[in-house]
Amino acid sequence: KAGVTQTPRYLIKTRGQQVTLSCSPISGHRSVSWYQQTPGQGLQFLFEYFSETQRNKGNFPGRFSGRQFSNSRSEMNVSTLELGDSALYLCASSSTSTHSTDTQYFGPGTRLTVL
Amino acid sequence: AQTVTQSQPEMSVQEAETVTLSCTYDTSENNYYLFWYKQPPSRQMILVIRQEAYKQQNATENRFSVNFQKAAKSFSLKISDSQLGDTAMYFCAFAPAAGNKLTFGGGTRVLVKP
Repeated sequence: KAGVTQTPRYLIKTRGQQVTLSCSPISGHRSVSWYQQTPGQGLQFLFEYFSETQRNKGNFPGRFSGRQFSNSRSEMNVSTLELGDSALYLCASSSTSTHSTDTQYFGPGTRLTVL
Repeated sequence: AQTVTQSQPEMSVQEAETVTLSCTYDTSENNYYLFWYKQPPSRQMILVIRQEAYKQQNATENRFSVNFQKAAKSFSLKISDSQLGDTAMYFCAFAPAAGNKLTFGGGTRVLVKP
């Protein structure tokens, strides 16, 4: 099976712009989670989508949003970018059924730089 | 809220030797999952090993094994016969029984020396 794919791999934006990141999960996986990784804050959970519904949400401002499509692909959007949004954004998928936990498999990440 | 602590920011080990990484966590839940992930310089996060809290038997995967002490809330990773390819950041992570929300520790950088 192909692994989790993320596009684009690298992105440079300026403050105030918005950005959309994409994640395609492993075939058959219905859960997609997003994480932000920075040197200062480490790895932090953003949100999880399962069957097109947001199931869990981390402590991030409303500028961070996401969605999931019927084919389980997910997008993450950040509006009004700030310098502090510069990070590696990781997507992970799992084959979780309803209300259970399964191993998450990660994509290679999207490196976002905000200038 | 759960917290995960990795007290060793960096460790080095000679090739073929053994290294043990520490991880402690705090939770009020009785059932949960614990993971070790490896992140090499390529930045791709790779699952090393997984442990279900309800299982008393420690998980093993080839050269990787854990020492899970539920009462002490401790979950250490032992890498045996270290190889150069083991050089990476290692993250300990906690997940509740329901829902895929991983809480990560700060990571331990492991350097395997030839």
